[in-house]
Order: sequence, then C-alpha cells, then structure tokens
Amino acid sequence: DTGVSQNPRHKITKRGQNVTFRCDPISEHNRLYWYRQTLGQGPEFLTYFQNEAQLEKSRLLSDRFSAERPKGSFSTLEIQRTEQGDSAMYLCASSLIPGGLKETQYFGPGTRLLVL
Amino acid sequence: AQKVTQAQTEISVVEKEDVTLDCVYETRDTTYYLFWYKQPPSGELVFLIRRNSFDEQNEISGRYSWNFQKSTSSFNFTITASQVVDSAVYFCALSEGPSGAGSYQLTFGKGTKLSVIP
Repeated sequence: DTGVSQNPRHKITKRGQNVTFRCDPISEHNRLYWYRQTLGQGPEFLTYFQNEAQLEKSRLLSDRFSAERPKGSFSTLEIQRTEQGDSAMYLCASSLIPGGLKETQYFGPGTRLLVL
Repeated sequence: AQKVTQAQTEISVVEKEDVTLDCVYETRDTTYYLFWYKQPPSGELVFLIRRNSFDEQNEISGRYSWNFQKSTSSFNFTITASQVVDSAVYFCALSEGPSGAGSYQLTFGKGTKLSVIP
C-alpha cells in the first residue's frame, strides 16, 4: 500500500529563485490538496484539485504560486521569485470521491522549504 | 467562518499516565466533519479519526478514545496509559465541506505538543 509521496523532502533556496515541488497521491485518489504549515501553526489550505481540474484556491495562494495536476495524477506546486516569508512546510494530501461521509485526506511527508 | 481552538500548546506527562487533548470548534453548518491527526517529528500528518456531526457516539480504539459533544462544540482526545511513542504534535481539524467547488478543505487548530517522559 503506497501512501502519498512528496519530493524533495527538503529544499534550500536563495530569495528570488524559483522552486518546484512534486506530490504523488495515492494511486486511486482523484482529489488532491496542497497545504502550507509554518512553525508552530497548523496546516493552512492552499488549493484543491479534482482529477486534473484546479477547482479552488485560497487567498494565501499569491500570484507567485502556481499548481498543476496534468492528467489527474501527480501534482506540482511552483513558487516563483521566492521570498523569505515562503519558508514553510508544504504538505500534499489526497482523498477519494465519494466525499461526504468517507472524505478523509491522507497526507504526504511534506517538503520543507527554507528561503535564505 | 469555521475555527478550531486547541488551547493547550504543550503538555508533558510521565509514561503510563492518561492525558486528554482538548479541541473546541466553531461552525455555522449543521453538517461537518471533525478529525484528529498526529504529526511526529518526521513531519508526516497521520490520520487518527474522522467524526461526522450527526454521530455523537464516542469511540475507542485501543489506548485512544474520543469524546464528541455537540452541546459544547468539543471533540476531545484521550490517550490512556501514554507511551513515549505517543510524543508528537496532535492536530484537531474541521471540514464544513463540500465547498461550492466540492472541496472538503480542512481547518486546523494550532496543535498540542505532547511529550511523554519515560
């Protein structure tokens, strides 16, 4: 049973650089979520995909952030022109329709980003 | 808007003691879902339990038990006979889903860091 995987696990970059993270959901899961977690806080919702369609974005997702999920499988989250405030853990979660009673999100190990 | 409050920032207990982690939530919806996740030092959030708003039965799973009370908007988590491996940050979360776009996005509390001392 393969869980959600994320790569890389850690990323250190200089301010102004672009970074891209990858998430591979559980294979039969068609919903995918991205969250961001800063130190001492709970995760905060960033965006949501159902299959390949990005259906919802949080106000936290600035114009420098873009996410894709081509073919409804893996997803990428790109941050352009990184800022020190982007330093956080980026978590991916997946779940399976039908939602409602059975909606449970399973999380990956996260990508920890440090912007210097 | 929904909100989850975990008033206990950090708790330390000695191994084998029982410990209760508090969670209070706010929502205007009548249908909602509550969750507990465990985050060990490795960082991965591990799903522990999901509760639907119309099911107030308490649940026990091994050393873990959950007390859901709609009257007080609380969903507390008790670990009986704590062990060192229980040391982690525990998050309570709420979903009011589905949104207009169909998502069941989670709203998390700030977490409670539990340290079990041998």
